[in-house]
Amino acid sequence: AQTVTQSQPEMSVQEAETVTLSCTYDTSESDYYLFWYKQPPSRQMILVIRQEAYKQQNATENRFSVNFQKAAKSFSLKISDSQLGDAAMYFCAYRSPGGYALNFGKGTSLLVTP
Amino acid sequence: DTGVSQNPRHKITKRGQNVTFRCDPISEHNRLYWYRQTLGQGPEFLTYFQNEAQLEKSRLLSDRFSAERPKGSFSTLEIQRTEQGDSAMYLCASSHGGLGNEQFFGPGTRLTVL
Repeated sequence: AQTVTQSQPEMSVQEAETVTLSCTYDTSESDYYLFWYKQPPSRQMILVIRQEAYKQQNATENRFSVNFQKAAKSFSLKISDSQLGDAAMYFCAYRSPGGYALNFGKGTSLLVTP
Repeated sequence: DTGVSQNPRHKITKRGQNVTFRCDPISEHNRLYWYRQTLGQGPEFLTYFQNEAQLEKSRLLSDRFSAERPKGSFSTLEIQRTEQGDSAMYLCASSHGGLGNEQFFGPGTRLTVL
């Protein structure tokens, strides 16, 4: 089974600053999908960004971007110009190309301070 | 609202009782997933449906757990003879067919077993 590791239980960032959340994973597959999900307090999980492993170009969605290092099996999330609404739990997830289940890390709690 | 809905949102039960949760996916989604999330952890995959067929089950899904999706629309997750260790958030998600498609999550049902 693929293992997803998020080594930062908590992170803090000031409003308007940039923060990077780390994620590493363990797999023997060459093709797969990686995701970052955001779970605000008492609200449902939403997809932030997605990366296909066969694509070398890093995915970007507005203020959110990833640094995908396939050889290092690293998939970090960068949040630029942080906003108070970015405060949430962030989960990194892996999915095999032929599978259906998302394998999640334990999450990183992001605090945004004014 | 056309998102994934789950009922009830909260359930408190006594050990040994049976409970049933319902999930209504986004109407055009043929894939439906159940996950369990305990405090401080990421969601863990339980089971997956494509239309009405249950195609994958995690070993986390013990004999006390059963899931159905009778007409390929809504799904139910039943837990028989609940145990305190079943206390968790139960999340439902749905998606279109195809690889890499985003899973849209519902708000979850929080189960507390006394």
